[in-house]
Amino acid sequence: KNEVEQSPQNLTAQEGEFITINCSYSVGISALHWLQQHPGGGIVSLFMLSSGKKKHGRLIATINIQEKHSSLHITASHPRDSAVYICAVSDETSGSRLTFGEGTQLTVNP
Amino acid sequence: DTEVTQTPKHLVMGMTNKKSLKCEQHMGHRAMYWYKQKAKKPPELMFVYSYEKLSINESVPSRFSPECPNSSLLNLHLHALQPEDSALYLCASSQPTRGLAKNIQYFGAGTRLSVL
Repeated sequence: KNEVEQSPQNLTAQEGEFITINCSYSVGISALHWLQQHPGGGIVSLFMLSSGKKKHGRLIATINIQEKHSSLHITASHPRDSAVYICAVSDETSGSRLTFGEGTQLTVNP
Repeated sequence: DTEVTQTPKHLVMGMTNKKSLKCEQHMGHRAMYWYKQKAKKPPELMFVYSYEKLSINESVPSRFSPECPNSSLLNLHLHALQPEDSALYLCASSQPTRGLAKNIQYFGAGTRLSVL
């Protein structure tokens, strides 16, 4: 069993839909990261969370430390949101090492 | 400036070639990372440099040789690679603090390497 599990693996939505991607982890963490990777490679850090909720534009990330669960929400989705979304965790014992989930491929159709 | 610049963007090399990948950042970050990413898989950590010293080597074969000549530059020297080494190689940087656990990593666009 992976230490970081994401669901769904693949998600197809129509433009304008509300999207949720889930991440569960089995280890103690000091921070959870949501990353976005567009075709062609570059990875962008969207959020780093250790508690509560963060919002940036149409993106919202939440984390429940007790339940070891995080969600990434996209409101009013747009085709340009099509990308792979990766959940990763870091903890004090592993220092700079990120443990990655397998990613969620999101496709938003016009 | 939150940019990590990687060159080249694409590289094709034979198994007997020697080549280098370069990574540069000017954010004052003192931790720099090399990752390898195969298609449809998450990145795998290869090396971490902290204050220009190698702090993590994830048992990477010696045909990959990292170098951090100064706080802004990170190189990955490649020699006698195998076709299975074909992948996207990503560089990242972050601020180092104690434990490095809460720092956002800034990634470059990657070098797509093909070994023939």
